[in-house]
Amino acid sequence: DAGVIQSPRHEVTEMGQEVTLRCKPISGHNSLFWYRQTMMRGLELLIYFNNNVPIDDSGMPEDRFSAKMPNASFSTLKIQPSEPRDSAVYFCASSFQGTFNEKLFFGSGTQLSVL
Amino acid sequence: QKEVEQNSGPLSVPEGAIASLNCTYSDRVSQSFFWYRQYSGKSPELIMSIYSNGDKEDGRFTAQLNKASQYVSLLIRDSQPSDSATYLCAVNIDLRTNAGKSTFGDGTTLTVKP
Repeated sequence: DAGVIQSPRHEVTEMGQEVTLRCKPISGHNSLFWYRQTMMRGLELLIYFNNNVPIDDSGMPEDRFSAKMPNASFSTLKIQPSEPRDSAVYFCASSFQGTFNEKLFFGSGTQLSVL
Repeated sequence: QKEVEQNSGPLSVPEGAIASLNCTYSDRVSQSFFWYRQYSGKSPELIMSIYSNGDKEDGRFTAQLNKASQYVSLLIRDSQPSDSATYLCAVNIDLRTNAGKSTFGDGTTLTVKP
């Protein structure tokens, strides 16, 4: 298996532009997570899906952020409009949720820079 | 109080020594506990998981869990320079559904000096 695949690896954009991050989870995994990592705030959960349904989006910072999972093999995280404080590494992770099986497998991340 | 707290570090040990990393958590209903290793510029990768009180050993790594004290630790024996990384403690707290979400500590950066 290729693991969790994220794209793009790097994104540089200007304030106000729309940014879309993409993720393909590991085949067979039923849960998908979007995390954001910064030096100041560490690794924080933005949203997670179980069986393509959003379960908890309490970590989404504000309405500028939205996430979708139209099917079991694809998810997007969109920021519109983007702001410099959104600059961070965004990780997608997937897992198979069962009893005590909640190990996360992370993608390589997207380094986002908003100028 | 943060949900998951780790030693702020950084932690530096000589090669061959034992490195001890500590983590405390606030929610008593937490069921699953994980240690992830993150090399600089890379993504976190799971190295240990533990679910019941006591010790769990895997090679040079030992995870220890004490639910009464809400404490989990990771010991790395015979530390190697390749162990130099940030170690993240993660706790699964959300039991409302079958999809447990992991809450991470801020990490402890370990440097193993040759």
